[in-house]
Amino acid sequence: EVQVVESGGGLVQPGESLRLSCAASGFTFSDHYMDWVRQTPGKGLEWVGRSRNKPKGYTTDYAASVKGRFTVSRDDSKNSVYLQMNSLKTEDTAVYYCVRVDYNNYGHYFDHWGQGTLVTVSS
Amino acid sequence: QSVLTQPPSVSATPGQKVTISCSGSSSNIGNDYVSWYQQLPGTAPKLLIYDNNNRPSGIPDRFSGSKSGTSATLGITGLQTGDEADYYCGTWDSRLKAVVFGGGTKLTVL
Repeated sequence: EVQVVESGGGLVQPGESLRLSCAASGFTFSDHYMDWVRQTPGKGLEWVGRSRNKPKGYTTDYAASVKGRFTVSRDDSKNSVYLQMNSLKTEDTAVYYCVRVDYNNYGHYFDHWGQGTLVTVSS
Repeated sequence: QSVLTQPPSVSATPGQKVTISCSGSSSNIGNDYVSWYQQLPGTAPKLLIYDNNNRPSGIPDRFSGSKSGTSATLGITGLQTGDEADYYCGTWDSRLKAVVFGGGTKLTVL
């Protein structure tokens, strides 16, 4: 069974840093891109960033709103992906989802979502 | 303001059919495949449709997707009260080099 489980959320002050972790199981982790998507309570989904697999050079992409502050990384030996969040702002308050990206020779899509971890940025 | 445009809400009665639109541009929907996600209250989103019109295993054929030009549509037939949820469309935007979502549509089954 495919599982992705986030951890590391919590309450931080503006300007501080936080690192989220996502542990994956039940599939060949190294084959897949892994993304982070966030959702402000009561609002819609916002894509945060992507970690591509080894064949794609482990390249990353980020939403404009987090570029330069957030970093997505992965450790295939640990079946894990991480989101390092620096210089946090109050508007970064959200539930952060770790998501497996699948690809079927056409488009990429999010086929498995974690349960989410809440990050609250407040003084 | 979301890159993809969805109606904020739609409603229908049990047994009826409803459609949810998702409008974009040549750099996103017009250039890539669309997926749809269902988010039941208090839960994480779930994949409903991928590659414009394909259903993952376990998704009933009451759910369908289509795409034409820079717009996509999710259709739900035989509405059930359990379909009450928020629905999101998503795709890759080649100009932004980012995944983009619609703002979400809240479906109410009266």
